[in-house]
Amino acid sequence: DVKVTQSSRYLVKRTGEKVFLECVQDMDHENMFWYRQDPGLGLRLIYFSYDVKMKEKGDIPEGYSVSREKKERFSLILESASTNQTSMYLCASSPAGWVMNHQPQHFGDGTRLSIL
Amino acid sequence: GQQLNQSPQSMFIQEGEDVSMNCTSSSIFNTWLWYKQEPGEGPVLLIALYKAGELTSNGRLTAQFGITRKDSFLNISASIPSDVGIYFCAGQREYGNKLVFGAGTILRVKS
Repeated sequence: DVKVTQSSRYLVKRTGEKVFLECVQDMDHENMFWYRQDPGLGLRLIYFSYDVKMKEKGDIPEGYSVSREKKERFSLILESASTNQTSMYLCASSPAGWVMNHQPQHFGDGTRLSIL
Repeated sequence: GQQLNQSPQSMFIQEGEDVSMNCTSSSIFNTWLWYKQEPGEGPVLLIALYKAGELTSNGRLTAQFGITRKDSFLNISASIPSDVGIYFCAGQREYGNKLVFGAGTILRVKS
């Protein structure tokens, strides 16, 4: 079974702090994704990575950056946290060619981040 | 912005009733997925659809990939209390790894 592990379930930070959210997957997947989930808006893609050191912007990248130094780990960074970044953050992974292999994205359990 | 219209937004039904929800888009999608999220957890894949017209079942769940490739529905038969959660549709655009998600349908079941 695919395991996607997010380092924290709950996190409280202050405005202006630099915040790191960590995600690790154990299935040697090439693709990793960061989403934020807000009521009524579903899941919105922040950034994704299809290989080590590779990254692409998603639909809402402003205020965020990412790091993929190792294949199994994908970090989301809030450079200077603001209150409008209070949200649930979800990490997901999938193998390259997931459509052909019928292996869609698997998700972690999420990090509920509050910025005060 | 949001490219998938998911409805209804929420449902409050009696145990034993059947449930139907759907997603529509103005764009063509290559793949449709249905996920369920329970409180405090991440979304879990229920059904994946890879071909237009495909109809797939998973226990009491049935989902279809619309023939126009612009819509999909999910039916749950004989609902039970553990069906409670948020159901998301997701579509893969014609090329690429990214998914687009609907806003979700919140399902509550009265026992």
